[in-house]
Amino acid sequence: DVKVTQSSRYLVKRTGEKVFLECVQDMDHENMFWYRQDPGLGLRLIYFSYDVKMKEKGDIPEGYSVSREKKERFSLILESASTNQTSMYLCASSYYGTGGVDTQYFGPGTRLTVL
Amino acid sequence: GENVEQHPSTLSVQEGDSAVIKCTYSDSASNYFPWYKQELGKRPQLIIDIRSNVGEKKDQRIAVTLNKTAKHFSLHITETQPEDSAVYFCAASGYGGATNKLIFGTGTLLAVQP
Repeated sequence: DVKVTQSSRYLVKRTGEKVFLECVQDMDHENMFWYRQDPGLGLRLIYFSYDVKMKEKGDIPEGYSVSREKKERFSLILESASTNQTSMYLCASSYYGTGGVDTQYFGPGTRLTVL
Repeated sequence: GENVEQHPSTLSVQEGDSAVIKCTYSDSASNYFPWYKQELGKRPQLIIDIRSNVGEKKDQRIAVTLNKTAKHFSLHITETQPEDSAVYFCAASGYGGATNKLIFGTGTLLAVQP
């Protein structure tokens, strides 16, 4: 059974703080993703990684960076948190399928509030 | 890039009725179309998916249909039950190869009234 875990379920930070969100998967997946989920906007891709130390920008990368030093771990970094980054953050992982895009498995989410 | 539109945004049905959620996509190269269910306070979970080489797939009470020509796909839930109440997201693959991205619709809140 695929397991994707995130470091915190709830997080409260102050404007200007540096914030780290961590995601770990135990299925040896090549691909890992960070999304934010906001009401009425669905799931929007922030960054993804298809291999260790590799990353690509998603649709809304501004204000975020990522790090993938080990295959199982993908970190999302808010360099200087702002109130408009208050959101639910979801991590996901998937195999690099030779037949094309494969199923993504999600973590439980981190609800971040920036005051 | 790929764009996915999902309708309706909310759907209320009586228990036992059918529910249909529709999505359209823009990139004709998309070849993978999953549907996710997200119950309140929980993570999205895959419920069914379809690849572009088939037109329909069924799994008990749920089915997905794909019309590649019109670039739309739909989720059908028959004999709805209260536990089907959730937010449902459709998605379409980005271009294949190294990207492996999914582009998600904005979600449909399904409420099944007992």
